[in-house]
Amino acid sequence: AQSVTQLGSHVSVSEGALVLLRCNYSSSVPPYLFWYVQYPNQGLQLLLKYTTGATLVKGINGFEAEFKKSETSFHLTKPSAHMSDAAEYFCAVAYNQGGKLIFGQGTELSVKP
Amino acid sequence: GAVVSQHPSWVICKSGTSVKIECRSLDFQATTMFWYRQFPKQSLMLMATSNEGSKATYEQGVEKDKFLINHASLTLSTLTVTSAHPEDSSFYICRVDGRNTEAFFGQGTRLTVV
Repeated sequence: AQSVTQLGSHVSVSEGALVLLRCNYSSSVPPYLFWYVQYPNQGLQLLLKYTTGATLVKGINGFEAEFKKSETSFHLTKPSAHMSDAAEYFCAVAYNQGGKLIFGQGTELSVKP
Repeated sequence: GAVVSQHPSWVICKSGTSVKIECRSLDFQATTMFWYRQFPKQSLMLMATSNEGSKATYEQGVEKDKFLINHASLTLSTLTVTSAHPEDSSFYICRVDGRNTEAFFGQGTRLTVV
């Protein structure tokens, strides 16, 4: 069965430091890949997605992610963390447009002043 | 502005009563709606998928008689938790897909059964 693994349920960084949230998927075919952010007691907001084409994808709020097929990874990065980035982040995959989204376990990002 | 409206954002109900949660697409017609459940500090678990005018497809282990889903129009889907019990307390989130649009999520509903 397809699965998504996010390494680290909790990541803590200092304000201004690099953010790296890891995501690996298991699949025999390239999936559609997504990163979502969730603030407390709210729904999910799409940060970015990869469907086809350029493997480095830029999203909102300065985040970007790179699809690496050889590593089956789609890690999320941001050069400089801001306090407002503190939230829960979910990686997800789908195998067709509008299909079932399979979510990772989520990574809680804390940003220290 | 929000393109998906989920209501209510929170609800407290007594054990044994039923609760209805609405999910509306505001600017587009929803071809498919999904309902998720999220426990504290955990990921989203897909409960069911619904298409307008047809019966919902439930995921394995989800009781269709307990979680009634109605997708009556292209802009509205409802989830009714029937005879709610404390173990049904959770955060419920809808997802709406339109034709050729990305997925949009509702703001979520915090259900507490006392």
